[in-house]
Amino acid sequence: GAGVSQSPSNKVTEKGKDVELRCDPISGHTALYWYRQSLGQGLEFLIYFQGNSAPDKSGLPSDRFSAERTGGSVSTLTIQRTQQEDSAVYLCASSILLAFTDTQYFGPGTRLTVL
Amino acid sequence: SQQGEEDPQALSIQEGENATMNCSYKTSINNLQWYRQNSGRGLVHLILIRSNEREKHSGRLRVTLDTSKKSSSLLITASRAADTASYFCATDPGANNLFFGTGTRLTVIP
Repeated sequence: GAGVSQSPSNKVTEKGKDVELRCDPISGHTALYWYRQSLGQGLEFLIYFQGNSAPDKSGLPSDRFSAERTGGSVSTLTIQRTQQEDSAVYLCASSILLAFTDTQYFGPGTRLTVL
Repeated sequence: SQQGEEDPQALSIQEGENATMNCSYKTSINNLQWYRQNSGRGLVHLILIRSNEREKHSGRLRVTLDTSKKSSSLLITASRAADTASYFCATDPGANNLFFGTGTRLTVIP
């Protein structure tokens, strides 16, 4: 069956450019999560969506980061004026409900490299 | 930090041996989950143990949880080369997000 998909799988960009990362959750999953994993680090929670709403944006590293979700499905994570420290793997996950008795299903990630 | 901490950071064993990984965390939790990440792949959920459970089995996996010590262990029995991956524990403190540790890198030598 279809799982969580993310695009692009790899993105190399120059410092100062904007990038947009896309996540397609599993159909019917109302909750969507963004994480990032820097080299040698654990997963860092960024933001979650319940439907199209993101109640808590405090996990976003800076105001250069924003995320939206439309139609309760696809989500985009946008990083403006990228910096080298933004280089990481960005992971998206979805779950049926926003309840942590539910398993989060992860996508393969987008590897972002900022030169 | 609310993140879990796994130890060891790296573990190398022979195929057929058992592998034990530990996770410690800081806050009270609703549940604790273990994930596997193969190189270049996304996370795969392995097992979830609730805060009122002490032990759970799934195939060759055995997870224990000691909430008094704020620790959990993942045991993989009769390891296989295909078990080579990074293993993460993730805690749910009830705030609708997960906190992951830095992971244990397991290498199973054929």
